[in-house]
Amino acid sequence: GQQLNQSPQSMFIQEGEDVSMNCTSSSIFNTWLWYKQDPGEGPVLLIALYKAGELTSNGRLTAQFGITRKDSFLNISASIPSDVGIYFCAGRTSGTYKYIFGTGTRLKVLA
Amino acid sequence: DTEVTQTPKHLVMGMTNKKSLKCEQHMGHRAMYWYKQKAKKPPELMFVYSYEKLSINESVPSRFSPECPNSSLLNLHLHALQPEDSALYLCASSQQALTTDTQYFGPGTRLTVL
Repeated sequence: GQQLNQSPQSMFIQEGEDVSMNCTSSSIFNTWLWYKQDPGEGPVLLIALYKAGELTSNGRLTAQFGITRKDSFLNISASIPSDVGIYFCAGRTSGTYKYIFGTGTRLKVLA
Repeated sequence: DTEVTQTPKHLVMGMTNKKSLKCEQHMGHRAMYWYKQKAKKPPELMFVYSYEKLSINESVPSRFSPECPNSSLLNLHLHALQPEDSALYLCASSQQALTTDTQYFGPGTRLTVL
């Protein structure tokens, strides 16, 4: 099925470092969602974005809805070991049922 | 409360078995979804129910049969599955199906077909 381009695909970082990842699409979206998924578990919603240019924080996480409405960014500040997991973005156009998911960013933190 | 529950957590079945996966939400959401997720891949949409009616079937084989008995429950009936159907099956829900609202996932059922 259709997927968003998410980068990086994976990354190793030192504990305490900041992390950035992004998703880009050829389509315009009205909603962007960011999820974190641990192995064998369901995705957990981190941040939801509904307006172009919107910047929303959830603790150490900050996400932005790109002005072009074709991209979104997630930043994690001062990473800790429990940030390990796969991060997915998902976008949707109003009037459609389907969320399109990014390919995922696998985050590994070195203590 | 943004909880979606799924049972069982794990399921092992043979290719001739019939089994069912269950999903429940008590958030008053009127849209519910089934996804299939293979290892290291994003979730793939299978079915969407809106107001207890099937709205989307993403060309899923008939050996998967969804059912929405009421606004809080969603089932996925399985029959004559193949080993390649082994995956994590995720249920999700949202307030409505066509608005840009947020989708919440359950913890998933890990299915293994022998």
